[in-house]
Amino acid sequence: SQQGEEDPQALSIQEGENATMNCSYKTSINNLQWYRQNSGRGLVHLILIRSNEREKHSGRLRVTLDTSKKSSSLLITASRAADTASYFCATDAKDNFNKFYFGSGTKLNVKP
Amino acid sequence: NAGVMQNPRHLVRRRGQEARLRCSPMKGHSHVYWYRQLPEEGLKFMVYLQKENIIDESGMPKERFSAEFPKEGPSILRIQQVVRGDSAAYFCASSTLKAGPPETQYFGPGTRLLVL
Repeated sequence: SQQGEEDPQALSIQEGENATMNCSYKTSINNLQWYRQNSGRGLVHLILIRSNEREKHSGRLRVTLDTSKKSSSLLITASRAADTASYFCATDAKDNFNKFYFGSGTKLNVKP
Repeated sequence: NAGVMQNPRHLVRRRGQEARLRCSPMKGHSHVYWYRQLPEEGLKFMVYLQKENIIDESGMPKERFSAEFPKEGPSILRIQQVVRGDSAAYFCASSTLKAGPPETQYFGPGTRLLVL
């Protein structure tokens, strides 16, 4: 079964606003990670949160994890035009940590 | 410290030809993963390899697709007799050798395969 479904599918905001993206998954995990992908490029790792953590910060990024609801959120504060990209969450599985499951991503457009 | 390297970055093949995609993991990484991304979709796991061993190929199509990670040299994803539906971006990722869950998989820039 597929893990890591993001929502919304697309998000358009003005520069300076905050952007929140959500991710839901189906089975128990060890870690959840967020990646960014600029159009036509590879994936850039943003942040990892372990299943025993509830919140993590990295610069303008804030990630939360609620294992009881099997969901995570990524908040980008004070967004910039350069944040325009697709954002994916990736989960492993408790019994198979070598395989990552990706959702179809949230396409973020930050208007200058 | 170079990241994950993939080549070629773009590959055009006609139906029926073979496609060979190469991946060199990050220095010190001994685990390699291949994913496929169709347009407007997320990445789908294909195969996980360690040196000279296929550990998990549950995402690989049963026919025409094969992968290897030899003792020396890059990992190769090989697609024989390509069809138009094989057109996609193929990403390689690598991680370090650990007893437990890998911390992170680091991704290469991808190979974009177009089948005419």
